[in-house]
Amino acid sequence: DSGVTQTPKHLITATGQRVTLRCSPRSGDLSVYWYQQSLDQGLQFLIQYYNGEERAKGNILERFSAQQFPDLHSELNLSSLELGDSALYFCASSGSPAGGELFFGEGSRLTVL
Amino acid sequence: GENVEQHPSTLSVQEGDSAVIKCTYSDSASNYFPWYKQELGKRPQLIIDIRSNVGEKKDQRIAVTLNKTAKHFSLHITETQPEDSAVYFCAAGPEGDSSYKLIFGSGTRLLVRP
Repeated sequence: DSGVTQTPKHLITATGQRVTLRCSPRSGDLSVYWYQQSLDQGLQFLIQYYNGEERAKGNILERFSAQQFPDLHSELNLSSLELGDSALYFCASSGSPAGGELFFGEGSRLTVL
Repeated sequence: GENVEQHPSTLSVQEGDSAVIKCTYSDSASNYFPWYKQELGKRPQLIIDIRSNVGEKKDQRIAVTLNKTAKHFSLHITETQPEDSAVYFCAAGPEGDSSYKLIFGSGTRLLVRP
């Protein structure tokens, strides 16, 4: 158990809909990261937050947005969903904003029909 | 932008043989190179990492080597066992700034045949 909690574990929705994925980092970690893993693909970096502030951005689509709240949990919002958004979305956390090991959650599997 | 290329995409070895996975990176600012193992249906977990101030690091049956000049780094697993079967990801990123964009390779699916 990494200490990173993600909900929901599975989510099935239709094209055009909007979903929210939630992540609670390990106790004490201020930095949260979101990654997308499509079928048989690597881990695509989406975005990093540190103590509520956006710190780094990857190839995150404009339809996607994220935030980190004062209690340090983070949410990834995906809107106007397309079939290609079906993927496993991982959240990770770390103690440092600038390096070291990432501790991954179990992921949220999104299926868009 | 930043890119990490990983080869091979699949690797099948006999139990007891060695396995080597290679990665190249594009961002010269990268100075941290971790390797993650992802078993089927599970989360990625760090197995070993190396920083740019060293050229090689070993931990029991696994070792990593780094060539910063060529922007290459490799994972070596010796005396492979069936439980080593998994997907392995290399990654590269710049540590020490106020942000941390760790870029992963596309993964290598390793199968260790008993």
